[in-house]
Amino acid sequence: DIQMTQSPSTLSASVGDRVTLACRASQSISRWLAWYQQKPGKAPELLIYDASSLESGVPSRFSGSGSGTEFTLTISSLQPDDSATYYCQQYNNPLLTFGPGTKVDVK
Amino acid sequence: QVHLVQSGAEVKKPGASVKVSCKASGYSFTTYAMHWVRQAPGQRLEWMGWINTGNGNTKYSQSFQGRFTITGDTSATTAYMELSSLTSEDTAVYYCARGRFMFQPLNVFDYWGQGTLVTVSP
Repeated sequence: DIQMTQSPSTLSASVGDRVTLACRASQSISRWLAWYQQKPGKAPELLIYDASSLESGVPSRFSGSGSGTEFTLTISSLQPDDSATYYCQQYNNPLLTFGPGTKVDVK
Repeated sequence: QVHLVQSGAEVKKPGASVKVSCKASGYSFTTYAMHWVRQAPGQRLEWMGWINTGNGNTKYSQSFQGRFTITGDTSATTAYMELSSLTSEDTAVYYCARGRFMFQPLNVFDYWGQGTLVTVSP
């Protein structure tokens, strides 16, 4: 199984800040990584796939980068609506696995 | 507009089984895989398995092998998941989610159901 880790576990930042979330895979997953946003009591929403491809309808302030084992999700200008937990997911292995999430709080 | 609508919350006794439905609309049901993902309270998302809605083939996580079944009814455009031999550790929100890359086993999830809370309690 490919283990996914994320850091930090929680993050607090102000409106307009640039924030970067990290995701690490236990082995190389090439660029087969997705990012999701989940708000309390709601289903996750796909933000990014193939490490850096923005899903249709997702604001352009979200961007992804990385390859191999190290990945980042960047929010270029944090907005109040971005308060959520963000999960990464690998799909290099048929046993699809998720990271533990990073909770983002907008001050 | 794509919609996945799941059945309502369930409360089950340990040892029982639960069946959750996922009604799809707004796209061709037999063109995309349907996956099931669960989330225990305060925990990360956990992928459970998927069904090729075109031919009915299924693939399950080994974590659930033997007590987890996914089926599909193409005429009703509905997918189902059934989990048996429930324990308290199965208390979670269960989601159906469409595979963005159609029937590829290496997939991401572009549309999700609203989730179904399954509570296992004596």
